Formats: sequence, structure tokens, C-alpha cells
Amino acid sequence: AQSVAQPEDQVNVAEGNPLTVKCTYSVSGNPYLFWYVQYPNRGLQFLLKYITGDNLVKGSYGFEAEFNKSQTSFHLKKPTALVSDSALYFCAVNKAAGNKLTFGGGTRVLVKP
Amino acid sequence: ETGVTQTPRHLVMGMTNKKSLKCEQHLGHNAMYWYKQSAKKPLELMFVYNFKEQTENNSVPSRFSPECPNSSHLFLHLHTLQPEDSALYLCASSHPKETQYFGPGTRLLVL
Repeated sequence: AQSVAQPEDQVNVAEGNPLTVKCTYSVSGNPYLFWYVQYPNRGLQFLLKYITGDNLVKGSYGFEAEFNKSQTSFHLKKPTALVSDSALYFCAVNKAAGNKLTFGGGTRVLVKP
Repeated sequence: ETGVTQTPRHLVMGMTNKKSLKCEQHLGHNAMYWYKQSAKKPLELMFVYNFKEQTENNSVPSRFSPECPNSSHLFLHLHTLQPEDSALYLCASSHPKETQYFGPGTRLLVL
């Protein structure tokens, strides 16, 4: 079975400061890892993914994530947070060649001016 | 916004009603998905279709009935729902085993 843990229900950060949203996963075999963002009353928007290759993945809107196999983590980062980054962030995992995404519980990010 | 549309965006229904949710994707994908997002739970995968064939039913109650007439359209037929079925229902599509793209969702309230 595969699973995802997002240990923080909410992350508060001041605008202009770096933002980190944590994610750890469990899956048999090689993982495919994803980050999505959800704004109020909207669906999920794809931010970035790790399939293979470079452990540092760059995505949309200045976000990046680092795959760490030994720690089974895939933390989302942004060097300079904006108020408009306030949203709900989801980490998801799929085993390689699988078709079944498993999502974490989500982390609400609040960026204060 | 993502090439996946869902209608209606909001739906209120009684427990004895029958209604259907519609999803359409314009991305040329061959896999489509239904998810349920409740306030207190992680996203739950409900159904997966690949090339119009159902390949996953995640122990969903029979009061939810999916239909995939072609690779671009996916329906979720609802009947005799319960109040605990109130949630945001999200549709997604992808090339098989690749990144999934989501629609805006249908907010369902069962009275």
C-alpha cells in the first residue's frame, strides 16, 4: 500500500520569507511524486512532479521540490512567499507505472503581508 | 482553466432525487477519474477509467454509478444519496499513468 503524510495542517509565513511545506511518502518500488495547489472553490492545479533524474524539481509559480530517497521526503519550497500563495497544498504519490494517486491530507499555507 | 470542465458547479439534492454530474476533458487524454473531497478527509479516489473501461472501483457504494461513453466524457450518476455524501466531487484526466489534471469540481449538498 502507498501513503503520504503531510505533518502540518497549516503553515504561516510572512510575505517575502521562504516557504516550506513538508511531505513524506511510503510506496513499494520507485515513486512518482506530485504537488498540487487548491485555491478556494477551485479544483487542484498541478505544480510539479518528480519521476526520475535530478532530485531538485522546478515547477510553476517559482515553486520547487527536493526528492530525498533516504528520508522518503518530497518537501515543497519557495524562496520568497507571496500573499497570493495562500492556498491548500497537496502532496501525492503513485508507484512507477501505476495509475492510482494517493494524496496527503493537505497543508493550508497562509502568507501574511 | 485546465482543459477539464465540470457541470454543474453546485448541486443541492434531496435523498430521494436522481442527478448526474458531468465531466468533459479537452486534453486528448485517455484516462479519467472521479475523486471525492470531504472537509475532514484526504482526497479519495472513487473510479478510474482507461480507454472507456473501468479499471478501478475503490469500494464505492452502489448509489454512485459512473459512466464513460467516450474518452472525453465522464458522468457520475447519483441516486438515493445520504447527507454524508455531501462533498466536492472532482474529475481528473491524464494520459495513462501520467500527470492528472483536475476540473474545478462540483460542490454537492445532500439534504
